[in-house]
Amino acid sequence: EAQVTQNPRYLITVTGKKLTVTCSQNMNHEYMSWYRQDPGLGLRQIYYSMNVEVTDKGDVPEGYKVSRKEKRNFPLILESPSPNQTSLYFCASSQHLGSNQPQHFGDGTRLSIL
Amino acid sequence: DAKTTQPPSMDCAEGRAANLPCNHSTISGNEYVYWYRQIHSQGPQYIIHGLKNNETNEMASLIITEDRKSSTLILPHATLRDTAVYYCIVRAPLGGGSQGNLIFGKGTKLSVKP
Repeated sequence: EAQVTQNPRYLITVTGKKLTVTCSQNMNHEYMSWYRQDPGLGLRQIYYSMNVEVTDKGDVPEGYKVSRKEKRNFPLILESPSPNQTSLYFCASSQHLGSNQPQHFGDGTRLSIL
Repeated sequence: DAKTTQPPSMDCAEGRAANLPCNHSTISGNEYVYWYRQIHSQGPQYIIHGLKNNETNEMASLIITEDRKSSTLILPHATLRDTAVYYCIVRAPLGGGSQGNLIFGKGTKLSVKP
């Protein structure tokens, strides 16, 4: 089954403790992206990747890192998490960066930073 | 990307067709209309998209007016599981430097009632 898989689904942690949220897709998609969703602010893009080893900042990249060493994986790294990064995170992928290509989303990761 | 306007909420009786309108009066000729839905903090789910012609898939139908200034998503036989927030998104062709991010507005909260 074609899918985007995120792990963990839920995480409660403390300020400053490095964490990684994994994202994997099995559709051989070139384009992958991370969003965060906050009440009243909608979905905002954090980082995106056009292909392996090609990543770039989205609208709210501060405090986050990403890597794209292989096509299927696009982990989101919080080196020193802070409470303002408490949010619902979604990974998405599409065949390539084209307006006729729908993006498919993972089920989300709810992060709470205390 | 062109701005979209959707009613904030709608009700629909179970088993009846749900018709969700979207206005996009500033849409350009090469912009696609996309529909996604989000069921209670799950990942946004792609439903359907189109450019000029009406489209149908296993989930829904998309009717785009001839002037392309509005569209309607039709769920032919709504079930309780279709209760969700539905987002209409207009997406421009992507050129160099574009992030490929989807701009989700407030959407329409559809409540399917028994």
